[in-house]
Amino acid sequence: QAVVTQEPSLTVSPGGTVTLTCDSSTGAVTGGHYPYWFQQKPGQAPRTLIFDTSNKHSWTPARFSGSLLGGKAALTLSDAQPEDEAEYYCSLSYSGARIFGTGTKVTVL
Amino acid sequence: QVQLQESGPGLVKPSETLSLTCTVSGGSISRSSYYWDWIRQPPGKGLEWIGSVFYGGSTFYNPSLKSRVTISVDTSKNHFSLKLISVTAADTAVYYCASLQGGPWGRGTTVSVSS
Repeated sequence: QAVVTQEPSLTVSPGGTVTLTCDSSTGAVTGGHYPYWFQQKPGQAPRTLIFDTSNKHSWTPARFSGSLLGGKAALTLSDAQPEDEAEYYCSLSYSGARIFGTGTKVTVL
Repeated sequence: QVQLQESGPGLVKPSETLSLTCTVSGGSISRSSYYWDWIRQPPGKGLEWIGSVFYGGSTFYNPSLKSRVTISVDTSKNHFSLKLISVTAADTAVYYCASLQGGPWGRGTTVSVSS
């Protein structure tokens, strides 16, 4: 079974930009993996930010964007706000079966 | 706005079957083009995808759980369900239902496996 790896932790300054990545043990991540990104704050259910690489839901703040970067899926947070401090998970599809990434703790400091 | 709500026992004995239901409100499962998912999160750990079901009944499962999991849908009741057999303490987790592609998540329900 594939392993999906994310940075354990990242720190960003308020107003700054940070990019989170999502790597697959089976090789380059492509659009065919239908990358999703989720945000989870302590004590809360996750919420979906990005689906199918770069598509946003109506509730996704404009400062979040998804892409493919260097063979990985990427989530870029621009103009970081204190409320963006959270755990972020990616998920990739392998022929219909999804695997979540290991998660990235983002600190806004 | 589509909302999801998990329901089921909060305590299950080892070797027994965990059964949960996710009720969908504000929209019809059978009119959705999305799959409906179950995800769990053990205490202090990350998310684990369990599986998904389409309104027509087709399913995908996590290979590591496939032998113990059944996910089904009941369009007449607008809900979908999870059954996990032969549970152990390792199945203790918060269980979420969601439509990962469509967006909404339930609030989650805590299930403990203990005698």
